[in-house]
Amino acid sequence: DTGVSQDPRHKITKRGQNVTFRCDPISEHNRLYWYRQTLGQGPEFLTYFQNEAQLEKSRLLSDRFSAERPKGSFSTLEIQRTEQGDSAMYLCASSFILPGQGYGYTFGSGTRLTVV
Amino acid sequence: DQQVKQNSPSLSVQEGRISILNCDYTNSMFDYFLWYKKYPAEGPTFLISISSIKDKNEDGRFTVFLNKSAKHLSLHIVPSQPGDSAVYFCAASSDNNDMRFGAGTRLTVKP
Repeated sequence: DTGVSQDPRHKITKRGQNVTFRCDPISEHNRLYWYRQTLGQGPEFLTYFQNEAQLEKSRLLSDRFSAERPKGSFSTLEIQRTEQGDSAMYLCASSFILPGQGYGYTFGSGTRLTVV
Repeated sequence: DQQVKQNSPSLSVQEGRISILNCDYTNSMFDYFLWYKKYPAEGPTFLISISSIKDKNEDGRFTVFLNKSAKHLSLHIVPSQPGDSAVYFCAASSDNNDMRFGAGTRLTVKP
């Protein structure tokens, strides 16, 4: 297992188009997270799954955004009717346990979305 | 709501000296704190963490200090090396829930 994989690495799309990103987490990790990062900011939480169940969604996740993890393995994040404000790095992470300290994340390299 | 704040966007340090990166948080329910390091075009990578029951955790050149009463933590890197140049994010979580990140501090270590 080579870590968390995200595809594609880069996506340029026209405003109004739909885009879908994929994340393959580390196979032993049952939690999967989506974050968004814009320039000069830290990662902002979007949503997370425990196995196939989506347990929490941020208010940042408007109704144009939907995430799935149908079999508790890979996950997809879809953005419908993209807007220029959606341009960001979308990061996926899966979690590992720090003995006595809770969870840490292993991040993928991210998908950089540019909406033109 | 900025629950985790890194007020210094950048820090420049001479090679061999100590780098001190600071982080403040507002949510007293946070009980795990982590530092991540990020190089350009890569995702953040885990560096070091600390539980709220401790006030110090050390791993090689990296030490994290936690002051719960001040809601403040810091990352010390000593001695600093040019390869440490990256963006460092502070993160916090409670009850193993999702993590909140600061905006990051760009560290530059000059040879």
